[in-house]
Amino acid sequence: GAVVSQHPSWVICKSGTSVKIECRSLDFQATTMFWYRQFPKQSLMLMATSNEGSKATYEQGVEKDKFLINHASLTLSTLTVTSAHPEDSSFYICSARDYRISHEQFFGPGTRLTVL
Amino acid sequence: RKEVEQDPGPFNVPEGATVAFNCTYSNSASQSFFWYRQDCRKEPKLLMSVYSSGNEDGRFTAQLNRASQYISLLIRDSKLSDSATYLCVEAGFQKLVFGTGTRLLVSP
Repeated sequence: GAVVSQHPSWVICKSGTSVKIECRSLDFQATTMFWYRQFPKQSLMLMATSNEGSKATYEQGVEKDKFLINHASLTLSTLTVTSAHPEDSSFYICSARDYRISHEQFFGPGTRLTVL
Repeated sequence: RKEVEQDPGPFNVPEGATVAFNCTYSNSASQSFFWYRQDCRKEPKLLMSVYSSGNEDGRFTAQLNRASQYISLLIRDSKLSDSATYLCVEAGFQKLVFGTGTRLLVSP
């Protein structure tokens, strides 16, 4: 099956710093990548959808200037949490798909962010 | 009203039991649904798709009831390894909408 990796798997940072999370499709081309956030005991919430080479589409209530998404290639998307605060602590998961083949999304293993 | 709603559980069942979860959805035009499984602190993994005719895969059976706008997941002969959170997912236009999940605990 298609493999998606995320890096780092976990990160602890101080309040006010920025954190970059990478999402890579290892054995397929990801025309579309999705970024989700999951707080404890809650469902995955879609933050944004990014298509390769174009600007990300953010869900309502997600600040695009705080969560910067770059999808510059067919195998890599990055999410940068700028000026992170403790309330940004969460489990961030990306998924990827090649819409030319199917609509199935393949999920990365997630990144656990803790902001002190 | 939430787009996809699930009973959070937990459902505590003994090994070998049969257990069923329901999930309701609000968009009557929705066409595709999925069940995902998520283990603690892990990413969700696709368990099975649900179509109007239902779907069966081994011990797992998923059904879609369009009239009542719910889908179900039936697990027969529960195993300890079935302990996880089961996420009901609606495939909207270009995106997936996740329910909060139903937690299943299978005990010896």
